[in-house]
Amino acid sequence: DGGITQSPKYLFRKEGQNVTLSCEQNLNHDAMYWYRQDPGQGLRLIYYSQIVNDFQKGDIAEGYSVSREKKESFPLTVTSAQKNPTAFYLCASSNDYDRAGYQPQHFGDGTRLSIL
Amino acid sequence: GESVGLHLPTLSVQEGDNSIINCAYSNSASDYFIWYKQESGKGPQFIIDIRSNMDKRQGQRVTVLLNKTVKHLSLQIAATQPGDSAVYFCAENSRTISNFGNEKLTFGTGTRLTIIP
Repeated sequence: DGGITQSPKYLFRKEGQNVTLSCEQNLNHDAMYWYRQDPGQGLRLIYYSQIVNDFQKGDIAEGYSVSREKKESFPLTVTSAQKNPTAFYLCASSNDYDRAGYQPQHFGDGTRLSIL
Repeated sequence: GESVGLHLPTLSVQEGDNSIINCAYSNSASDYFIWYKQESGKGPQFIIDIRSNMDKRQGQRVTVLLNKTVKHLSLQIAATQPGDSAVYFCAENSRTISNFGNEKLTFGTGTRLTIIP
């Protein structure tokens, strides 16, 4: 089945540690996104990528980094500079607007990151 | 910045009844709207979308209504079932404002739908 796979489902970070969240999609989508979800708040965009080897900061990029070396993969690193990393992290993908018009973003099942 | 909000944070509905979940948006330039369903511990699941050149769109057991005059969006679920229990939230996109394609969605905080047996 086509879809978006996020791993791990649960992740724990120690002080001063960087951790990387995996996101893989086999939907052949051009664009991929990372969101952070906190209780009582809407999803907030961290980073997005419209094409391989290119990515843009979202609304809350500080303390995070990404790479897009392959179309199907968009890993997110939560660095030690992110002082409040505890959250539910969601990866999404969609077709490119210029090619397909407005398209909904499709989401993975998330990674819950906690601090030890 | 612009925000998308919901009238009610929680909604309890008798099984078999119809559910109506509301969403208000403030950006009059928004031209694409999406409803998502999110079950506990899972990612949001696409339900239905609508473009601003439409007032109504129907799917399987769901209908989305868009009232651009009052900037209001609603999701109607017919014959609500226990499996419909989840948080529902809307998202809006305005390519005119953001100059982006599908990248700049603004999400509401969600309404929790609870089904009463």
